[in-house]
Amino acid sequence: SAVISQKPSRDICQRGTSLTIQCQVDSQVTMMFWYRQQPGQSLTLIATANQGSEATYESGFVIDKFPISRPNLTFSTLTVSNMSPEDSSIYLCSVEDRLAGRPYEQYFGPGTRLTVT
Amino acid sequence: GESVGLHLPTLSVQEGDNSIINCAYSNSASDYFIWYKQESGKGPQFIIDIRSNMDKRQGQRVTVLLNKTVKHLSLQIAATQPGDSAVYFCAENAGGTSYGKLTFGQGTILTVHP
Repeated sequence: SAVISQKPSRDICQRGTSLTIQCQVDSQVTMMFWYRQQPGQSLTLIATANQGSEATYESGFVIDKFPISRPNLTFSTLTVSNMSPEDSSIYLCSVEDRLAGRPYEQYFGPGTRLTVT
Repeated sequence: GESVGLHLPTLSVQEGDNSIINCAYSNSASDYFIWYKQESGKGPQFIIDIRSNMDKRQGQRVTVLLNKTVKHLSLQIAATQPGDSAVYFCAENAGGTSYGKLTFGQGTILTVHP
């Protein structure tokens, strides 16, 4: 399976600021996704990061709050904008390695643990 | 490390016992299911998957059972070990226009006692 890394691994930020999280994959993948995991909760899909076009957001998530870039098949960024304490969560990227001939299997990065004070 | 799953269902077993973790899914159109293991401070780790045209799939020490009639999924872990202690999530994919998008269950905390 693809090896996925995220930067930063954790951060403590002040309210009103923004943080950009990077996701790097060691091989080209067709699909990349961003999830949020609030404390004590399950994972919720934020958006699908589309290569060369605007991300596709799920209900409850908007581009102004969570702008996403995906300049190529191995890299994506998620920005958490104008942060508030409610944004304190683990942010995870995942990839679906469809190019390897195994559709649907999704693998996750280690996550970015964000605390907003 | 950070603890996830503070508000999740729990299952405690003795080392060597078999564990069964259950999951109810909601979308009858879902055609693909995955079980993930998440250890404290880490991202979810893919364990095993199953497609809707199957009712059972086995891996190394793990078996997934799918009952589409009642929309129920289970993960069986044989000879559970302390290293199996983690939060376990089921996830479903509805296919079609939802292709690739996973909907996660609430998770279950598994604690294995030596």
